[in-house]
Amino acid sequence: KAGVTQTPRYLIKTRGQQVTLSCSPISGHRSVSWYQQTPGQGLQFLFEYFSETQRNKGNFPGRFSGRQFSNSRSEMNVSTLELGDSALYLCASSHGRISGKTEAFFGQGTRLTVV
Amino acid sequence: AQSVTQPDIHITVSEGASLELRCNYSYGATPYLFWYVQSPGQGLQLLLKYFSGDTLVQGIKGFEAEFKRSQSSFNLRKPSVHWSDAAEYFCAVGAGGSQGNLIFGKGTKLSVKP
Repeated sequence: KAGVTQTPRYLIKTRGQQVTLSCSPISGHRSVSWYQQTPGQGLQFLFEYFSETQRNKGNFPGRFSGRQFSNSRSEMNVSTLELGDSALYLCASSHGRISGKTEAFFGQGTRLTVV
Repeated sequence: AQSVTQPDIHITVSEGASLELRCNYSYGATPYLFWYVQSPGQGLQLLLKYFSGDTLVQGIKGFEAEFKRSQSSFNLRKPSVHWSDAAEYFCAVGAGGSQGNLIFGKGTKLSVKP
């Protein structure tokens, strides 16, 4: 059974540009969550999607957005990139709605560098 | 707000020595607790989880953790560390709301001396 796949693995973008990251969950999983990981702030929750609907959102500016498709694949978009957006972006999938008592499986992440 | 504290930023142990990584949580209800491990440049792998029942839980790679409600702790242990255990370890509590469904501690980086 394939794991969570995130593409691309590495990205370098320039300030002001926008970027789209992709996440393919484990087959059969309907919930996808996104996290930002930085050395200073650690792992911070971005948003959760379940059945194509955003169910939960963290405290990030509106420049961060996402969506989920009917096949449960998810994308997140960051517009008007800032240097501080440089981070490892992790996607996690789970079978059902993540309610706290759900095992989440993480992808390897996309390393975004903004220059 | 719910939170997870991992007091040790970096720990170094000798190969073959025992290991204990500390985790304290703040959560109003019955917590769902997790330990994840992250190797450099990789995602997170679940080591073990506690939902209810026996307070000593076994995980993969020879790890175990003990839930102590009175101390709000969920410490990770391993009796004999291997060089391949060098990684960063994250404790998390399953929650909800704007903090997200998993609230993570800042992590403890484990180095292993030969």
